[in-house]
Amino acid sequence: DIQMTQSPSSLSASVGDRVTITCRASQGIRNDLGWYQQKPGKAPKRLIYAASSLQSGVPSRFSGSGSGTEFTLTISSLQPEDFATYYCLQHNSYSFTFGPGTKVDIK
Amino acid sequence: QVQLQESGPGLVKPSQTLSLTCTVSGGSISSGSYYWSWIRQPAGKGLEWIGRIYTSGSTNYNPSLKSRVTISVDTSKNQFSLKLSSVTAADTAVYYCARDSGSYSIGPHFDYWGQGTLVTVSS
Repeated sequence: DIQMTQSPSSLSASVGDRVTITCRASQGIRNDLGWYQQKPGKAPKRLIYAASSLQSGVPSRFSGSGSGTEFTLTISSLQPEDFATYYCLQHNSYSFTFGPGTKVDIK
Repeated sequence: QVQLQESGPGLVKPSQTLSLTCTVSGGSISSGSYYWSWIRQPAGKGLEWIGRIYTSGSTNYNPSLKSRVTISVDTSKNQFSLKLSSVTAADTAVYYCARDSGSYSIGPHFDYWGQGTLVTVSS
């Protein structure tokens, strides 16, 4: 099974800050990775697919990069609506694994 | 507008089988190239993908749950279902059903979700 880790598990940031979240896979997964955002009490929403492609309708301040085993999600200028938990999701095989999540809250 | 709604018992005893149904409205479960997934989330914890089914009946399961999971579809009722056997307290979670409009190349895209249903495993 492919295991996913994320760092940090949580972070505090201010509006306007640049935020970077890292996701690592236990084995190479090419670019078979997406990023999801979940707000409290809400279903998750996909932000990034294929490691670096922006989902339609998602603000351009979100970007993704990486390949193989290490991936990053960057929010270039944090906005109030971005305080949420972020999950990576690998789909390298016909089985999907979420990362444990990174909670972004207000400093 | 596609809507999904989970239903089933909110309390299941240890060692028994958890059974949930997801009813799809606003569109036929058979139309389009969609997979239909189950995902769960223990309170205050992360997401876990359980498995999915295509309307042909083809399934994929999380290897860590595969021995206990069965997902089926009833196109006549526009529903798909989850059965998880031999449950323990570790299976207590909010269970979501979701439509996956993604593809093999770009990965799953869970674009429509049910509201989620809490299932507690306790005697």
